[in-house]
Amino acid sequence: SQQGEEDPQALSIQEGENATMNCSYKTSINNLQWYRQNSGRGLVHLILIRSNEREKHSGRLRVTLDTSKKSSSLLITASRAADTASYFCATDRSSYKLIFGSGTRLLVRP
Amino acid sequence: GAVVSQHPSWVICKSGTSVKIECRSLDFQATTMFWYRQFPKQSLMLMATSNEGSKATYEQGVEKDKFLINHASLTLSTLTVTSAHPEDSSFYICSARDEILANYGYTFGSGTRLTVV
Repeated sequence: SQQGEEDPQALSIQEGENATMNCSYKTSINNLQWYRQNSGRGLVHLILIRSNEREKHSGRLRVTLDTSKKSSSLLITASRAADTASYFCATDRSSYKLIFGSGTRLLVRP
Repeated sequence: GAVVSQHPSWVICKSGTSVKIECRSLDFQATTMFWYRQFPKQSLMLMATSNEGSKATYEQGVEKDKFLINHASLTLSTLTVTSAHPEDSSFYICSARDEILANYGYTFGSGTRLTVV
């Protein structure tokens, strides 16, 4: 399969709680990116972390990368109902192609 | 920021007809564009890489005669689903790589929902 794996597949939390999503991949990468997709819409880029970086922050988002374990995590702090969406990790290898993980469907309950 | 326009946003067509989907980079030049397919509640599967001025590179298992890709200019790539059948019904999304902004992620179109009846 060209896809990486993400877990959990689905996550339901209360507004204000933190949400953590994990991504594992199979090959060496140049960078790993996280995207968000609202139902039936296109993707919105959230954050990119390079292979030589271990952690990155952007607003309420925190991304970690462990290249030795070939895994990454996305943490959304103080979640809001508007954060409800599907979240995908995508790995960028040497050919500029993005290969997407299986995704996590996040539901933030008001 | 970089914007990619995808058109149409949805289309319904009869079996056996062909459908063309356009993907335009509005404020940057994209030598490389990508076409993805997404089934309900599933991830994006890369179909092909579209290169300006040359033939597209298709992923394994994707029929190049079925999904014709043309990248005739630095701002436009088209995907034509030929002789469409109900199993081709899906959500198709394009993305474009801005050489300058690539370090900040790729830009995606809003997608096209194709329904073949």
